[in-house]
Amino acid sequence: DGGITQSPKYLFRKEGQNVTLSCEQNLNHDAMYWYRQDPGQGLRLIYYSQIVNDFQKGDIAEGYSVSREKKESFPLTVTSAQKNPTAFYLCASSVSASGANVLTFGAGSRLTVL
Amino acid sequence: AQSVAQPEDQVNVAEGNPLTVKCTYSVSGNPYLFWYVQYPNRGLQFLLKYITGDNLVKGSYGFEAEFNKSQTSFHLKKPSALVSDSALYFCAVRPNTNAGKSTFGDGTTLTVKP
Repeated sequence: DGGITQSPKYLFRKEGQNVTLSCEQNLNHDAMYWYRQDPGQGLRLIYYSQIVNDFQKGDIAEGYSVSREKKESFPLTVTSAQKNPTAFYLCASSVSASGANVLTFGAGSRLTVL
Repeated sequence: AQSVAQPEDQVNVAEGNPLTVKCTYSVSGNPYLFWYVQYPNRGLQFLLKYITGDNLVKGSYGFEAEFNKSQTSFHLKKPSALVSDSALYFCAVRPNTNAGKSTFGDGTTLTVKP
């Protein structure tokens, strides 16, 4: 079945450590996205990529970094510069970044900073 | 800047009764509008979207939404609620321009009681 796989599902981190969240899709979608979800705040866009080797900052990019070396992969690194990293992280993809394309989401990764 | 408002954090209905989850939006130009549903600890799933044309949009699981341009609203409705409809619902908007980004509301928790 086509879809988006996020790993790990749960991750615990000590303060000062960088962590990388994996996102892989086999939908042949050009565009990929990372969202952060906090209770009562909806989804906020961290980074998005319209094509391989290109990505743009979203609304809350500070303290995060991404890469897009392959079409199917869009890993997110949460760096020690992110002040409040505990959250639920959602990866999504769409056929393209334009038009009325629907976002397909992964199951999410829950990061907890100890 | 575009925005989405979901004025109710929580909606409670009895099984078999009609349900409405409200959404209003602000965007430059004509919008694309979406509803997504999220079950606990999962990613979002697409329900329906409005692009253009008929103001009443039908989607998955018996849900429908009515686009009202003058009131800038896109309320989600279902004639007869099921207990299994209980979930978190998100409205999203994006402008119909190239590479327009989606903005999500804060979400409304729907609880359907037997």
